[in-house]
Amino acid sequence: QDQLQESGPGLVKPSETLSLTCTYSSHGGYFTRYAWHWIRQSPGKGLEWIGIVLIGGVTNDNPSLNGRASMSIDSTKNQFSLRLKDVTAADTAVYYCARWNNGLDVWGPGTTVTVSS
Amino acid sequence: EIVLTQSPGTLSLSPGDRATLSCRATQRINSNYLAWYQRQPGQAPRLLIYGASNRASGVPDRFSGSGSGTDFTLTINRLEPEDFALYYCQQYSDTPWTFGQGTKVEVK
Repeated sequence: QDQLQESGPGLVKPSETLSLTCTYSSHGGYFTRYAWHWIRQSPGKGLEWIGIVLIGGVTNDNPSLNGRASMSIDSTKNQFSLRLKDVTAADTAVYYCARWNNGLDVWGPGTTVTVSS
Repeated sequence: EIVLTQSPGTLSLSPGDRATLSCRATQRINSNYLAWYQRQPGQAPRLLIYGASNRASGVPDRFSGSGSGTDFTLTINRLEPEDFALYYCQQYSDTPWTFGQGTKVEVK
């Protein structure tokens, strides 16, 4: 069964950079075949799409993040990453990575990131 | 940005009932690029429907999606105990991709 797993610090200080990595494991699914996404859910709020990263490094992120998000991909490791700079308390959320394959069909379990000093 | 409004906020039904969930967009969604997800407490969302009406792999046929343009519907026939959950619609017609705020299907 194809799986995703987020990893990274659970606590980030205000004004610093949040860094998360998502690792894909598969029984035969090809990492390079898919598009990869980051989504988050802040406490008491809905799901927010952060952005997409494609093989080759093409990305598109949500304008609501004001250019603070950057994404990258390493197909040799079956991993993709999110960096969110200048974080504030408003960036406290559960962060999910997900695979796009006619829908977001595989999700990681989510990782909680708290922004606090 | 396309805003998706789901209604009702909560649907109180009994096992065996039919659930009808609505998702309305502020702009036309091209090519029916709309998906539905189910979410159980403490879990990540699960894809149910893509392309407005196509069931994802492994999804029971009691789940069906319909609609076009700005109005979409998720229907769940003969609710099973495991169907009581939170449901989201999501559009991928235009960036930024957006999600509805969710409809909770609860036991009456």
